[in-house]
Amino acid sequence: QVQLVESGGGVVQPGGSLRLSCAASGFTFSPYAMHWTRQVPGKGLQWVAFISKDGSNKYYVESVKGRFTISRDNSKNMLYLQMNSLRGEDTAVYYCVKDHGSSGIFDSWGQGTLVTVSS
Amino acid sequence: EIVMTQSPATLSVSPGETATLSCRASESVSGNLAWYQHKPGQAPRVLIHGASTRATGIPARFSGTGSGTEFTLTISSLQSEDFAVYYCQQYNNWPPITFGQGTRLDIK
Repeated sequence: QVQLVESGGGVVQPGGSLRLSCAASGFTFSPYAMHWTRQVPGKGLQWVAFISKDGSNKYYVESVKGRFTISRDNSKNMLYLQMNSLRGEDTAVYYCVKDHGSSGIFDSWGQGTLVTVSS
Repeated sequence: EIVMTQSPATLSVSPGETATLSCRASESVSGNLAWYQHKPGQAPRVLIHGASTRATGIPARFSGTGSGTEFTLTISSLQSEDFAVYYCQQYNNWPPITFGQGTRLDIK
């Protein structure tokens, strides 16, 4: 079955950088768009970024534009999120999410990785 | 940006009874609305997409209705494993994809 396993979370100082990875298995990775979504502790879900199946299209929530970069390696079945200039408000559990095609329906989620931005 | 508003914030219902959760969009999202269930420490899972289509493996006690700006998730014959937080999400006009703030379903 579909497995999405995130890694790379941790504690980082404000202004620092972190790279999240997501290893995908149990399905053919390349035909599907992918997303990153996050949940601030005690708050709701927030979509963060989208990448099309071939990586040619990328979209971001306004608050991370210019700081975060989503990418993928279809040869390795991997999804990435490079996060720069991190802020306290970026503290959250980050989920790797598989799209149901390229529709915006999130049909499979990883367990999440916690990113804490604190001095 | 389309704002999704869920009500109530918290709902207390007894096992075996029916829970009705609401979601309103700030503008029409047609039928492009999904519902997700999220339990603490677990990955969220999709329940409903297309406003009323159950996702694979979702029991028939979960049903979704609505179109345009008003949507409802109904969970009948509540079981212990159904107590969780539920989110609606629009995917009609994006980016950004937007979620409601969630409804927490508690055991009464």
